[in-house]
Amino acid sequence: DIQMTQSPSSLSASVGDRVTITCRASQDISNYLAWFQQKPGKAPKFLIYAASSLQSGVPSKFSGSGSGTDFTLTISSLQPEDFATYYCQQYNSYPFTFGQGTRLESK
Amino acid sequence: QVQLVESGGGVVQPGRSLRLSCVASGFTFSSYGMHWVRQAPGKGLDWVAVISFDGRNANYADSVKGRFTISRDNSMNTLYLQMNSLRPDDTALYYCAENFSPGGSYSPIDHWGQGTLVTVSS
Repeated sequence: DIQMTQSPSSLSASVGDRVTITCRASQDISNYLAWFQQKPGKAPKFLIYAASSLQSGVPSKFSGSGSGTDFTLTISSLQPEDFATYYCQQYNSYPFTFGQGTRLESK
Repeated sequence: QVQLVESGGGVVQPGRSLRLSCVASGFTFSSYGMHWVRQAPGKGLDWVAVISFDGRNANYADSVKGRFTISRDNSMNTLYLQMNSLRPDDTALYYCAENFSPGGSYSPIDHWGQGTLVTVSS
């Protein structure tokens, strides 16, 4: 099975900051990588697919990059609604696997 | 718009069975692969299973293989998860979710339901 490792596990930032979350796959997954945002008590929200393609309706302050084993999610100019937990997921091979999550908190 | 409504959760003793359902609307259900994803209280997301749009193919997480069965009824726009030999570590909120792309096997997850809670405890 492919292991997905996110770093950091938690991150403190301020409104207006730019933050980057990293996701590493245990083997090559090409660009079969998605990112999700989850707020407390809510279902996850689909943000990015194919490592860098923004889902319709997702603000352009979210961006993704990477291929192979190393990927990043960047959020520019943080707003209060962006404080949440973020997950990466590989869909290159079954079983699909998620990273452990990165909790983005307000400083 | 897409709606996914799960039901069937509850409290069950270890070793017993439970069947979850997910009724879909707002899209052509029979064209999309569907997933179950779970989340234990206070923990991260854990992918459980996927079924192809036509129900012919399914894949499972190692932790549930041989105990859980995913199925679908395209005439009823309904997805199921039959869970047997339940264990306390199966306790979680179970989400039904839709593939982003129709037809394909290797597609990210797009829309999610609100989940149904399964608690396995004696």
